[in-house]
Amino acid sequence: EAGVAQSPRYKIIEKRQSVAFWCNPISGHATLYWYQQILGQGPKLLIQFQNNGVVDDSQLPKDRFSAERLKGVDSTLKIQPAKLEDSAVYLCASSLVGAGRPLYGYTFGSGTRLTVV
Amino acid sequence: GNSVTQMEGPVTLSEEAFLTINCTYTATGYPSLFWYVQYPGEGLQLLLKATKADDKGSNKGFEATYRKETTSFHLEKGSVQVSDSAVYFCALSSVSSGGSYIPTFGRGTSLIVHP
Repeated sequence: EAGVAQSPRYKIIEKRQSVAFWCNPISGHATLYWYQQILGQGPKLLIQFQNNGVVDDSQLPKDRFSAERLKGVDSTLKIQPAKLEDSAVYLCASSLVGAGRPLYGYTFGSGTRLTVV
Repeated sequence: GNSVTQMEGPVTLSEEAFLTINCTYTATGYPSLFWYVQYPGEGLQLLLKATKADDKGSNKGFEATYRKETTSFHLEKGSVQVSDSAVYFCALSSVSSGGSYIPTFGRGTSLIVHP
């Protein structure tokens, strides 16, 4: 089966500019996650979708970050305006759930490496 | 809230040495537990998982046992190889106050294996 697709692979922007990342999960996976991974740290959950509804966005900096999953399939994460501290790898993952639990763990995409200068 | 604590790295071993990477967690209810591996330049891959107390997850010679009494999920391998050099992440999925299962990852432990 095809994996989780993300684009772009790399992005360099100046601070105060905007940027968008795209993710297409594994077919049939209703749950989609966006993570931020700063160098040397573990992935931090930004937002979790179940179909096209938000399950958790408690760690999303809502003054500058937004995400949507309009048709319950692919998703877009946007940052506007970007700050230097947003430099990180943005990971998308998806999972198949049963009784709410991820049945086989989380399948990750390759990520987008964002550098804000 | 939920949290995962992993031992600080890097862990440096010679080939064929025994590996233990400690992981302890704090979570509500009965979380599912995972180990992920990230090889240099690659994405995170699921290594093994356990979904209930006393379950043992295993894959590629790695093992971890879900210990509810000590809230631990330590990763072990009897004989490491140079190709095992990577960053290892312990993670859990636990129910939140809103009733949904939310993932939490540790900071990662870097493993370096010398020939």
